[in-house]
Amino acid sequence: DTAVSQTPKYLVTQMGNDKSIKCEQNLGHDTMYWYKQDSKKFLKIMFSYNNKELIINETVPNRFSPKSPDKAHLNLHINSLELGDSAVYFCASSQDGRGGEETQYFGPGTRLLVL
Amino acid sequence: RKEVEQDPGPFNVPEGATVAFNCTYSNSASQSFFWYRQDCRKEPKLLMSVYSSGNEDGRFTAQLNRASQYISLLIRDSKLSDSATYLCVVNLGTGGFKTIFGAGTRLFVKA
Repeated sequence: DTAVSQTPKYLVTQMGNDKSIKCEQNLGHDTMYWYKQDSKKFLKIMFSYNNKELIINETVPNRFSPKSPDKAHLNLHINSLELGDSAVYFCASSQDGRGGEETQYFGPGTRLLVL
Repeated sequence: RKEVEQDPGPFNVPEGATVAFNCTYSNSASQSFFWYRQDCRKEPKLLMSVYSSGNEDGRFTAQLNRASQYISLLIRDSKLSDSATYLCVVNLGTGGFKTIFGAGTRLFVKA
């Protein structure tokens, strides 16, 4: 039973295309996150949602649009993909998030390569 | 200055060695502190939370010094399976939802 799942695992696409990454958690958590891990392995938060509401948007270009249809899902849509978007994108969830003390559970990551 | 700084390593140690990792954070309002572990091409996983009084989990000991804004992780009796990247993580808490990851310290444990 996968707690946090992402699809697809690998995504290879051309510059200028639009793509989506899906994330689902079956832990009953209220908060979900998207992180980007670049080639230097630096993991940086992009967005966090609490009960379907956007809480954090970390100066991410507006080509990136998260959508949370319900609190178990947080999808990431990327328009007009650029070379610099190539990275590993991790989805994560935590029980609440407000106190910041809970463990975050990460999905396996989506490896995006923009050619 | 980066919000969370770690020595990137790599640390190359023999099995059985004791190794220590350090981490500093810049925001004095930081509330919660963690060490995560990330294996190659895998997702990060929580290793342990870090409490003000210091805490231990088996071979792993974490310390926090709020005055110096410094966190440490000590691994005793290193095993081959400890080879991974160790991420220092800081959360601003109090409704912040904002988690800052350090760039990680790479550890290689050799037979």
